[in-house]
Amino acid sequence: AQSVTQLDSQVPVFEEAPVELRCNYSSSVSVYLFWYVQYPNQGLQLLLKYLSGSTLVKGINGFEAEFNKSQTSFHLRKPSVHISDTAEYFCAVSGSGGYQKVTFGTGTKLQVIP
Amino acid sequence: DTEVTQTPKHLVMGMTNKKSLKCEQHMGHRAMYWYKQKAKKPPELMFVYSYEKLSINESVPSRFSPECPNSSLLNLHLHALQPEDSALYLCASSVLLAGINEQFFGPGTRLTVL
Repeated sequence: AQSVTQLDSQVPVFEEAPVELRCNYSSSVSVYLFWYVQYPNQGLQLLLKYLSGSTLVKGINGFEAEFNKSQTSFHLRKPSVHISDTAEYFCAVSGSGGYQKVTFGTGTKLQVIP
Repeated sequence: DTEVTQTPKHLVMGMTNKKSLKCEQHMGHRAMYWYKQKAKKPPELMFVYSYEKLSINESVPSRFSPECPNSSLLNLHLHALQPEDSALYLCASSVLLAGINEQFFGPGTRLTVL
């Protein structure tokens, strides 16, 4: 079984400041990791994913995440946030092979302050 | 066409009504999913269809009945719902790319049960 923990339920940050949203995972087997964003009253959009290889993954909208196997973390970062980045961010994990269940973290609300 | 569409966007129903939610994708994906999302919570998996066959039912009450008429369509039939079933219902589809289950989400149907 796998799980993810998002340590922060809300993260307020000023516009143009950097941000890090934290995610830790737990699994006894190889996993795939994702970050999704959900804007108000919308579905989820994939920001980026980690499969294997380079531990630094670049996604859309200037976001990137770093996979750290020793710390079982997959933190999301952006060097300079915009008002439009205000949204809910979900970290997710899936096992490998076939149509595996995707397990979501509890979400982090990023609030960008003008 | 790279999107998942859901209809209706909003639905209000009484506890004795019968209604259906519809989901459609034309990306050739062979797995489709229903999720339920309550406010400020992550999506919770309800059902998975793989190659038009029900492969996962997460112990969902029988008042929710999924149907997959073909590889592009997924329905969720609703009957005798309770007010606590009010939520955002998300549909997703996925394709296996290099063994990874990458899911694409629709915008959701906002359901209110009176």
